[in-house]
Amino acid sequence: DAGITQSPRHKVTETGTPVTLRCHQTENHRYMYWYRQDPGHGLRLIHYSYGVKDTDKGEVSDGYSVSRSKTEDFLLTLESATSSQTSVYFCAISEGQYAGYTFGSGTRLTVV
Amino acid sequence: KQEVTQIPAALSVPEGENLVLNCSFTDSAIYNLQWFRQDPGKGLTSLLLIQSSQREQTSGRLNASLDKSSGRSTLYIAASQPGDSATYLCASPQGGSEKLVFGKGTKLTVNP
Repeated sequence: DAGITQSPRHKVTETGTPVTLRCHQTENHRYMYWYRQDPGHGLRLIHYSYGVKDTDKGEVSDGYSVSRSKTEDFLLTLESATSSQTSVYFCAISEGQYAGYTFGSGTRLTVV
Repeated sequence: KQEVTQIPAALSVPEGENLVLNCSFTDSAIYNLQWFRQDPGKGLTSLLLIQSSQREQTSGRLNASLDKSSGRSTLYIAASQPGDSATYLCASPQGGSEKLVFGKGTKLTVNP
C-alpha cells in the first residue's frame, strides 16, 4: 500500500529464535499499529504507538515487544518465537480517532 | 468494550445481484466506522469511512450506511461482479481510544 511498507514479506524461523518485523511509513502519521490475523480469530491488536517512544499494549501482547525510535518506523519483536506466533502480521497507520486506517501488505511468519 | 459482529460469515450470490453486508457494534458512541476489503493472501484495502456525524457514504457501486442508535452499519453492493469476491471487514475504534476493533468478516463469493 502506498505510504506504508512491511518487511520482510515472508519469513520462516525456528522456535526459540528472536524475530523482528519492520513497518515503515512515509505519511508522517502519528499512530502506528501491529495486528495479527488468524483463522477463527480475525484481526487482533498486538501493540500500538501514539508517538515516538510512546507505545501501549493491545489484547494479545504477551511474547511481543515494540519500539518506535522514529516517526516513520515501528518494529515488532518476538523475543523467543513459538509455534503459536505463526500468523500473518499487519501494520497500520492513522492520523487519529477521526481518520481512517491504512494497512500494509502483511508479513507471513511461520515458526517451525 | 467495543465488540463488532458480522453476519453471515459467508455469502454466495449470482452475478448481477444487489446485496447487503451487515455489521453490528455494541458501543454506539463511536467516532467512525470503516469498511475494508481483503483478497486472499493480501492486505486490507479501505473501501469507505463513515464518520459518526454521517448517515452514509458512497463510492461507485458501494454504499455504506451507519445507524448509531441501533448499533448497525450496512455495506450495499450494487450489480455484483465476480471481481467483488473477497472478504469484507468492518471496524470501529474502541470507545475513547485509537484502537480499531474488527469484525471477523463476511466472505463474499459472486458466481458468474
